[in-house]
Amino acid sequence: DAGVIQSPRHEVTEMGQEVTLRCKPISGHNSLFWYRQTMMRGLELLIYFNNNVPIDDSGMPEDRFSAKMPNASFSTLKIQPSEPRDSAVYFCASSLVLTGGPKSNQPQHFGDGTRLSIL
Amino acid sequence: KNEVEQSPQNLTAQEGEFITINCSYSVGISALHWLQQHPGGGIVSLFMLSSGKKKHGRLIATINIQEKHSSLHITASHPRDSAVYICAVIGGQGGSEKLVFGKGTKLTVNP
Repeated sequence: DAGVIQSPRHEVTEMGQEVTLRCKPISGHNSLFWYRQTMMRGLELLIYFNNNVPIDDSGMPEDRFSAKMPNASFSTLKIQPSEPRDSAVYFCASSLVLTGGPKSNQPQHFGDGTRLSIL
Repeated sequence: KNEVEQSPQNLTAQEGEFITINCSYSVGISALHWLQQHPGGGIVSLFMLSSGKKKHGRLIATINIQEKHSSLHITASHPRDSAVYICAVIGGQGGSEKLVFGKGTKLTVNP
């Protein structure tokens, strides 16, 4: 079985450019999570979706960040305009959640992450 | 103060030693995760537990809800166990379902 697939694996771009990160969750999973990992702050939840609906986006740092999940097999995280402080590793994870939210008896499966560098 | 505190921050052990990593949290939770992140960056969920104890191979995770504390134990440690171990809780302040992470414990097991 394919795991969570993220693309690109690495992205280097200049400040001010639009960045789009992509995630394909595991088939059959109904929840999808976007995380950011930095040396200073560790892992942070940015947003999560349940059945394609955003449930909690309180971790999204500011209006420059947006996330969509148009269908059960695809999600995007967009940064526009990008800034150097957005440099981080962005992880996508999916799971089968039996009730609304990440309260789940099923483990989350993580993608390999996208290493983003904004110059 | 962080809602989730892990100790130690760094841990070096010799192959075969028994390892314990601790996680304390300051908020009511519905569940707690232990994650493993290898040097290559990939993250694997090891356990999700809300009470008692779980065991998988050489790994054992325990949680004491009253004391707001969890431990991850590794028996007969091996160099391939070298990784960062991260504790994460579900259900923080305000009853949020948001996952809150500890800073991680970097484990190095020497042969």
